[in-house]
Amino acid sequence: QKEVEQDPGPLSVPEGAIVSLNCTYSNSAFQYFMWYRQYSRKGPELLMYTYSSGNKEDGRFTAQVDKSSKYISLFIRDSQPSDSATYLCAMIGGGSNYKLTFGKGTLLTVNP
Amino acid sequence: EAQVTQNPRYLITVTGKKLTVTCSQNMNHEYMSWYRQDPGLGLRQIYYSMNVEVTDKGDVPEGYKVSRKEKRNFPLILESPSPNQTSLYFCASSLQGPDTEAFFGQGTRLTVV
Repeated sequence: QKEVEQDPGPLSVPEGAIVSLNCTYSNSAFQYFMWYRQYSRKGPELLMYTYSSGNKEDGRFTAQVDKSSKYISLFIRDSQPSDSATYLCAMIGGGSNYKLTFGKGTLLTVNP
Repeated sequence: EAQVTQNPRYLITVTGKKLTVTCSQNMNHEYMSWYRQDPGLGLRQIYYSMNVEVTDKGDVPEGYKVSRKEKRNFPLILESPSPNQTSLYFCASSLQGPDTEAFFGQGTRLTVV
């Protein structure tokens, strides 16, 4: 079983839809959870960051972490064509290497 | 503007010809790392550096070398590239600590023939 599992999609939705993206993980040491967005031919950029279990909201984006289920989610409300990108979940455990362990990414297309 | 700069952006080379991909950041970050991104495998860490003269292996270090002689620069060296090193490479930097934002470069697409 891979450390981080993420459905690669692709996912295609109409503009204005609510998008749900998810990752599961197997390593209980993961404590820091991020969502990165990667546009085509660009490097990943941090979208949301949460520590431990709970919810975090930033504008149209909500990140949820459920450590008991080893499950994290990203919700996008009122999706826009500019949200079309690959969304990568990433996690960091304890230890001195701040290595990001990534999911494979989900390709999202929001159609006008 | 805060940024991580990689060069070159695209490179086609032949097997065995040594190459260096440069990475430079202007944010005074201590922590820098290299990742490769492959279809179906995602992003995987190659090497990382906690600070000047401190480097260590990530998950896929075979065939790569790094150095960190200055805080801002973290070059990735392929002494004898092979076709299985064809990939998209990203350099990243951040402050110390797991709760800090990692900034990524634009990527270097390497093809080894």
